[in-house]
Amino acid sequence: DVKVTQSSRYLVKRTGEKVFLECVQDMDHENMFWYRQDPGLGLRLIYFSYDVKMKEKGDIPEGYSVSREKKERFSLILESASTNQTSMYLCASITFRMSSYNEQFFGPGTRLTVL
Amino acid sequence: AQSVTQLDSHVSVSEGTPVLLRCNYSSSYSPSLFWYVQHPNKGLQLLLKYTSAATLVKGINGFEAEFKKSETSFHLTKPSAHMSDAAEYFCVVNRDGGATNKLIFGTGTLLAVQP
Repeated sequence: DVKVTQSSRYLVKRTGEKVFLECVQDMDHENMFWYRQDPGLGLRLIYFSYDVKMKEKGDIPEGYSVSREKKERFSLILESASTNQTSMYLCASITFRMSSYNEQFFGPGTRLTVL
Repeated sequence: AQSVTQLDSHVSVSEGTPVLLRCNYSSSYSPSLFWYVQHPNKGLQLLLKYTSAATLVKGINGFEAEFKKSETSFHLTKPSAHMSDAAEYFCVVNRDGGATNKLIFGTGTLLAVQP
């Protein structure tokens, strides 16, 4: 059974703190993604990694960075958390093997509150 | 450029009645289209996907969607709603015709099912 796990379901941090969100997949997928989900806005892509140590900015990368040192793990970093980064964060992974119809597999999400 | 528009942010139906969730797309490529569902406090799960093999696509839990190129629509339907269908539904298009696995999400439709 495929699995994407995220390190925390709920997280509360203070403004200015450095925050790490971890995502691990066990499917040997090449591509991994970080999204944020806000009511009425759907999911928006923050960063994308197409392989180890390879990353690409998504639509809303400001205030975030990422790290992918191992294939199975993709970390999202908030360098200095701000209240407007309070949101649900979703990680996903997908194989890149020759199909545009592949399914992205999602983790359960981390609900981050920045006070 | 690719985009999807979900025409209703909220839909309420009675148990046992049909469900219709509307989605229009815009794509300069032959689109890859998906519907994902998110149950409360759960990650996103793929319901169905349009692969160009057939315009009527059957998914899990009795859902189906019809790809209509002339109307640029990909509406999700189910003949008879069940209480367990209450969730948020996202219409999704592949961002760049499959060159990468990046997706564009609609803003979501929250389905309520009344007893």
